[in-house]
Amino acid sequence: DVKVTQSSRYLVKRTGEKVFLECVQDMDHENMFWYRQDPGLGLRLIYFSYDVKMKEKGDIPEGYSVSREKKERFSLILESASTNQTSMYLCASSLGQLQPQHFGDGTRLSIL
Amino acid sequence: EDQVTQSPEALRLQEGESSSLNCSYTVSGLRGLFWYRQDPGKGPEFLFTLYSAGEEKEKERLKATLTKKESFLHITAPKPEDSATYLCAVPKTGGYNKLIFGAGTRLAVHP
Repeated sequence: DVKVTQSSRYLVKRTGEKVFLECVQDMDHENMFWYRQDPGLGLRLIYFSYDVKMKEKGDIPEGYSVSREKKERFSLILESASTNQTSMYLCASSLGQLQPQHFGDGTRLSIL
Repeated sequence: EDQVTQSPEALRLQEGESSSLNCSYTVSGLRGLFWYRQDPGKGPEFLFTLYSAGEEKEKERLKATLTKKESFLHITAPKPEDSATYLCAVPKTGGYNKLIFGAGTRLAVHP
């Protein structure tokens, strides 16, 4: 079974802080993704990576950056956290194009 | 514009009462459709992939079907443990890795 592990289930940070969310997958998947999920807005793609050090913007990249130095690890960075970034963040990975994405259990992030 | 619409938003069933959830989509050249189940406080769990119209997939009490414009998730004789939010997603036009998700159907099955 694919296992996608997100480093924290719950996180509370202050506005202006730099925040790091970490994600690790154990199935040698090529692609990794970061989403946020908000009530009424559903799942929205922030960034994805199709190879080490390769990344592509999703639908809502503003205020975020990502890092993928190793194949199994994909980090989401909030450069200067703001209250409108309070959300559930979900990481996913997939073997390749048009393959199912497998999700972690999410990090519920609160920015105060 | 690419769009995925799920209906109904919420569905309440009695245990054993079969029903169907709908996922309609507007993308150019469908290259696949994914169904997921999401429990409260957890990430979506992959259920099925359908790649072409007429295709069907089954898993326990769930059966997914696909036409050129929509997909159905049929739930036969549901049990309370089938209660969850069910999401469908399709790749964006021209984007093999970028998925558009529907808002989901919240299913509650009561004993």
